[in-house]
Amino acid sequence: HLQLQESGPGLVKPSETLSLTCTVSGDSIISITYFWGWIRQPPGKGLEWIGTIHYSGDIYYNPSLKSRVTVSVDTSKNQFSLKLNSVTAADTAVYYCARHNYGVDNWFDPWGQGTLVTVSS
Amino acid sequence: DIQMTQSPSSLSSSVGDRVTITCRASQSIRGYLNWYQQKPGKAPKLLIYVASRLQSGVPSRFSGSGSETDYTLTISSLQPEDFATYYCQQSYSSPFTFGPGTKVDIK
Repeated sequence: HLQLQESGPGLVKPSETLSLTCTVSGDSIISITYFWGWIRQPPGKGLEWIGTIHYSGDIYYNPSLKSRVTVSVDTSKNQFSLKLNSVTAADTAVYYCARHNYGVDNWFDPWGQGTLVTVSS
Repeated sequence: DIQMTQSPSSLSSSVGDRVTITCRASQSIRGYLNWYQQKPGKAPKLLIYVASRLQSGVPSRFSGSGSETDYTLTISSLQPEDFATYYCQQSYSSPFTFGPGTKVDIK
């Protein structure tokens, strides 16, 4: 069955770039139907959609983060990635990747287990 | 952006209780509303999509309803494994926004 797993540094310094990768297993990331998304959750707070990508290269970002975010896909590795630059303490959060049924019902399922990224010097 | 609110923010209930959680959108989202369950330290899990469609594998004690701006998630008979935080998410327009969550704990 489909599984997603986030990976990347757990600590990033302020003003630097946060980089995470999501590895998809159990199915191909090359799907006409499904997209692949990133969502984050600051400690003790709610959920915020960051961005979503299709294997074909279509990308959609949350306007609130668009100036700092890049999402990319590597079909040869069945992975997609997130880069968030110029991070501050406000970017400290658990970052999740998820399959995104974009443009239809726009649900996220399943999700990876999440990875905590702390922004601190 | 479409703003989502939920009420109550938390509630205490007993096993076997009927529980209802409300979600309201700042504008009509025409039924494009999803519900998720999140347990401590775990990722959210999709329960219901498009307001009332049960995701595969989700117990039938969960149900959803609503239209336009107002939606409800109902758990017909609360089970021990249902103690969690529940989030609604509007799927009508980008950016896709979530409610602040409703925590359901044991009375």
